[in-house]
Amino acid sequence: DVKVTQSSRYLVKRTGEKVFLECVQDMDHENMFWYRQDPGLGLRLIYFSYDVKMKEKGDIPEGYSVSREKKERFSLILESASTNQTSMYLCASRVTNTGELFFGEGSRLTVL
Amino acid sequence: AQTVTQSQPEMSVQEAETVTLSCTYDTSENNYYLFWYKQPPSRQMILVIRQEAYKQQNATENRFSVNFQKAAKSFSLKISDSQLGDTAMYFCAFCSNTGKLIFGQGTTLQVKP
Repeated sequence: DVKVTQSSRYLVKRTGEKVFLECVQDMDHENMFWYRQDPGLGLRLIYFSYDVKMKEKGDIPEGYSVSREKKERFSLILESASTNQTSMYLCASRVTNTGELFFGEGSRLTVL
Repeated sequence: AQTVTQSQPEMSVQEAETVTLSCTYDTSENNYYLFWYKQPPSRQMILVIRQEAYKQQNATENRFSVNFQKAAKSFSLKISDSQLGDTAMYFCAFCSNTGKLIFGQGTTLQVKP
């Protein structure tokens, strides 16, 4: 079975802190994604990566950056956390451009 | 730009009955893929069903089936013989040929005993 693991299920951070959200997949998938999920807004794409060291901005990249140094790992970075970044963050991966997405369990971030 | 709209924020159904969740999308592309994902409470999102736009036949997966109307840009999900384990948030998603995936706002489905 494909496994997508997100390093933290729950985080509480203070405004201005730097936050790292880690995601690891174990099925050699090319594509990896970071979404944020908010009530009434569904899933919104922050960044995605089609391959190692490649990254593309999604629909809401402001305030975020990403890193993909190895194929299996895709990190989301909040350089200076703000309260409006309080949300559920979902990582996902897939093997082909149009294939099924496999999701992690999510990381619920609260910024105080 | 592509958009996906789920107009039903919440729905409920009695166990063993049938329910249909609506989804419409907007695109100028001819070849694309559509998905329904399920997110159970506090659990991971999983794929329910997938439809290729070039296929006229509606996809089915056991109790789950879709009504794909390409001209109307409509992609509804029908759940037959609803079970308590179907209680979840359901997301409709559009995937272009370039791989960009767009989700709808989600529909929370409650199956009542």
